[in-house]
Amino acid sequence: SAVISQKPSRDICQRGTSLTIQCQVDSQVTMMFWYRQQPGQSLTLIATANQGSEATYESGFVIDKFPISRPNLTFSTLTVSNMSPEDSSIYLCSVGGEEKLFFGSGTQLSVL
Amino acid sequence: GENVEQHPSTLSVQEGDSAVIKCTYSDSASNYFPWYKQELGKRPQLIIDIRSNVGEKKDQRIAVTLNKTAKHFSLHITETQPEDSAVYFCAASKGTSTGTASKLTFGTGTRLQVTL
Repeated sequence: SAVISQKPSRDICQRGTSLTIQCQVDSQVTMMFWYRQQPGQSLTLIATANQGSEATYESGFVIDKFPISRPNLTFSTLTVSNMSPEDSSIYLCSVGGEEKLFFGSGTQLSVL
Repeated sequence: GENVEQHPSTLSVQEGDSAVIKCTYSDSASNYFPWYKQELGKRPQLIIDIRSNVGEKKDQRIAVTLNKTAKHFSLHITETQPEDSAVYFCAASKGTSTGTASKLTFGTGTRLQVTL
């Protein structure tokens, strides 16, 4: 499986600020996904990031709040904008390889 | 869209016993069903998966069964060990015609505790 590096691993942020999370993969992948895992909860898909096109957002998530970049087949960023305490979660990038999905180590975000 | 329900939410078994976790899905077009194990503070790890053209799959102490008609699938862990303690998530996706990865819809998770 691909090696997926995600950073930062954790951060504590003030409300109203923004944080950009990076996801780097050691091989080219077509599909990259961003998930959110709220404390003690399951994983919820935020958006699908495809290289060369706009990200596709799931219901309840909007580009203004979670802008995504996918400049090439090995890298993506997710920005959490204008943060509030409700954004405190683990954010995970995920990459696909022949139908299987693998996850990065996650970014634990706490918003004060 | 797809909806995946998972039961039980918590499961406690004694070491050596078997554990069974059940999931149901709503979209009959779903054709790929993975299971993930997530230990505390770690990323979800894929432990086994099954495709809709297969009824059962085994990998050592773990197995997954799929009933397409009833739209449910189950994870079976035999001879449980303390290191099996974790949260387990089922998921479903429609897959693609080219076999590339597609977005997953996850169940709510099962916290498995294996006691000595």
